[in-house]
Parts: sequence; structure tokens; C-alpha cells
Amino acid sequence: DAGVTQSPTHLIKTRGQHVTLRCSPISGHKSVSWYQQVLGQGPQFIFQYYEKEERGRGNFPDRFSARQFPNYSSELNVNALLLGDSALYLCASSPRGQETQYFGPGTRLLVL
Amino acid sequence: EDKVVQSPLSLVVHEGDTVTLNCSYEVTNFRSLLWYKQEKKAPTFLFMLTSSGIEKKSGRLSSILDKKELSSILNITATQTGDSAIYLCAVSGGSNYKLTFGKGTLLTVNP
Repeated sequence: DAGVTQSPTHLIKTRGQHVTLRCSPISGHKSVSWYQQVLGQGPQFIFQYYEKEERGRGNFPDRFSARQFPNYSSELNVNALLLGDSALYLCASSPRGQETQYFGPGTRLLVL
Repeated sequence: EDKVVQSPLSLVVHEGDTVTLNCSYEVTNFRSLLWYKQEKKAPTFLFMLTSSGIEKKSGRLSSILDKKELSSILNITATQTGDSAIYLCAVSGGSNYKLTFGKGTLLTVNP
């Protein structure tokens, strides 16, 4: 079975630009969560979606948004990029938002 | 606000040593504590501990949850160089299923 997949693997943007990150969950999983991990820190929760509805939102500015599609894949959008948005963005899926979340390989974003 | 503190932040051992990693937490309406191993990018799931499952073991790895002390330990016996990684502890609680992570413990196993 394929695990969680994310695209792209790496991305370089400049300040002020917009970025879209994509995630496909494990087959049969209906919940997707997004996390931001900066160097030396643990992942920090951004969003969780279940059945296309936002279930939870972390302490991130409105520049961050996400959505989930009918096939349960998800997009994370970040507008007006700042240098501090440089991080590894992780997507995790779970069957029904259960606690065991399985992570994808992440997208490493560098903002110059 | 939920909080997870891991210790030590880094650890260097020799192959064959036994290590114990610590995790303490504060969370409203605790549901579970999870351990992950992160080598390059994707954290890989190791264990989930709940009120009904406070001890887990898989090969050389084992973990115990102490609900009274609000803490957990992850033990690795007979360490190998392939155990070198960041070990992350996370908790879930409250009305949603978000995970709150600690900063992780960087384990380096030297041959």
C-alpha cells in the first residue's frame, strides 16, 4: 500500500509570493492534518480536515489556508510568504481523525 | 495550552548501549501519547499509549506511560547505528485530534 505522498519535495520561493503544497492520504483515510516543522523543533499543528470539513486550526495567521477534496487529498496554501515560513511542511493522514497519524515525506520550503 | 517536554535534547551513545528517552506532558482531557522516529523527513510511527494500553514493546524498543506522573519513557536496548534519529513524543487531547509535539531527542549511536 502506498503511504502518504506529498508534492513537491522541495520548493524555493521569494518573499511575498504564494505557495501551494499538495498531499494525498493513505487509501481509505479520510482525515488529513498539516504540520510545520522548523529546524530544531517538533512539528507544529496547522490544520486538520475530515470529510472535507475543517476540524481544527492551529495558531497560524490567516495567510495559511487549506482545503480537502472529495477524493480526500488536500492542499495547503500560504500567501505573502515571509522568511520565517521556511520550514518542512508535513502532511499526515488517519482513518477518521484517530490519534495514530501517518506522515508523508514532507515538502521543504525555502523562502528567500 | 498543551505542552510536551522531552529530555535529553541530544544523546550520544555507543552501539550496544541501552538508552532511555523521557517525555512529560500537560494536556487537557488526555487521550493518547505517541512516539515517532524521524530520520530524514517523515516521522515514522512507533507506539501509541493510552489509558487502556500503558505499555508497548516491539523488538528492542519499548515504552511505558505513567499517567500519574504525566510522563512516558522510550527504551531502546542493544542500540545500533540505524537507531540514530530524532525521537519525537506527541500527545492528543481535548475535542480535536491534533497532535502536540515536543522538540524531540536527537540520538546518535556511534559504532
